[in-house]
Amino acid sequence: EPEVTQTPSHQVTQMGQEVILRCVPISNHLYFYWYRQILGQKVEFLVSFYNNEISEKSEIFDDQFSVERPDGSNFTLKIRSTKLEDSAMYFCASSDDSQLVDTQYFGPGTRLTVL
Amino acid sequence: QKEVEQDPGPLSVPEGAIVSLNCTYSNSAFQYFMWYRQYSRKGPELLMYTYSSGNKEDGRFTAQVDKSSKYISLFIRDSQPSDSATYLCAMSVGNQFYFGTGTSLTVIP
Repeated sequence: EPEVTQTPSHQVTQMGQEVILRCVPISNHLYFYWYRQILGQKVEFLVSFYNNEISEKSEIFDDQFSVERPDGSNFTLKIRSTKLEDSAMYFCASSDDSQLVDTQYFGPGTRLTVL
Repeated sequence: QKEVEQDPGPLSVPEGAIVSLNCTYSNSAFQYFMWYRQYSRKGPELLMYTYSSGNKEDGRFTAQVDKSSKYISLFIRDSQPSDSATYLCAMSVGNQFYFGTGTSLTVIP
């Protein structure tokens, strides 16, 4: 069964450092998403990406965040200067059609800890 | 603004019980209403989704949407220990998904 994969599973970084979280979406999917879930809180939408550009983003996705699809398989989330409050689980998701919610698959997440 | 409200629980029921999970929402523009299951250290997995008011059944699971009350429910019949997980409601408008906080469910054998 196809699945979304994410690396690393756990990333520990110092405040102010840059981190890059990596995702490999399902191969024939065209739409890509990042979400975050702060411990004990709800899953929050960050950004959606289609055709090599951001299609929608939330208020959380400010200038310190960026996304990129550097090659045909990876989808990355970069946080330029991490803050303590960026500590969270970050989930990548992909779908083959933005209108069909049952095609959106989530990865297992990357736990980011900012010290 | 709290778009989606969900009681976090935890909820503990004996095996075989009927479980009722609920969410309320405030945004009448939401188009899809979803229920996800999330096991520890895993990403959310879509269980069911609906587009309109009414009921949708899939095996032991029934999703119910009442748009007039802005209220959705998930019912689990004959609950099993393997149903123990966190259940997240979610709603979408366009490409943006809004999740509830999740309800932690434990089904006791």
